[in-house]
Amino acid sequence: AQKITQTQPGMFVQEKEAVTLDCTYDTSDPSYGLFWYKQPSSGEMIFLIYQGSYDQQNATEGRYSLNFQKARKSANLVISASQLGDSAMYFCAMREASNDYKLSFGAGTTVTVRA
Amino acid sequence: DAGITQSPRHKVTETGTPVTLRCHQTENHRYMYWYRQDPGHGLRLIHYSYGVKDTDKGEVSDGYSVSRSKTEDFLLTLESATSSQTSVYFCAISDPVRGGSTDTQYFGPGTRLTVL
Repeated sequence: AQKITQTQPGMFVQEKEAVTLDCTYDTSDPSYGLFWYKQPSSGEMIFLIYQGSYDQQNATEGRYSLNFQKARKSANLVISASQLGDSAMYFCAMREASNDYKLSFGAGTTVTVRA
Repeated sequence: DAGITQSPRHKVTETGTPVTLRCHQTENHRYMYWYRQDPGHGLRLIHYSYGVKDTDKGEVSDGYSVSRSKTEDFLLTLESATSSQTSVYFCAISDPVRGGSTDTQYFGPGTRLTVL
């Protein structure tokens, strides 16, 4: 069964607007972590933000925030004030404590920021 | 940026030949991982290591072997390359602490492998 689902293959957003990237996950482990990575066209994988399953507050890192809804098993990434440099592929990933720190990745969402 | 390098960065080889990819880190992280990235699949774990000479399989380990004789180096070997192993290969490192709140994996720049 798919552990991480990203239902949006591609999205367009206008510069300076906010965009939300969907991520749902499937686990029965009470201890897990959720990660978002950015992959620009140059190919490197860049860590953006982390949310732990026991964290009481949604994680934020600059213009990135994670909308964590535990009961719905969703961990959506919100990018505020989009910039042209935000055009990239974005991956959601999960680590389960019972799975020896291995990451399961979603298929990714391509974001294109329009000027 | 985490100190992770991969070599080679690009390689073209022929079916049936052995290929070895190298991952080198300067962070002294305990865990190292090899992933492959293919369109529509995200990243899939091939093998990982949790210490020198300690390795285990990931979800797509068939046709691959690994070795880790030093903390800083993790080698991925394709014993007899096939066209289905054409992919981009990423190495990652982490240093998880049990009971800790974060164990982020940091990725190397990737190796693009083409098997003809």
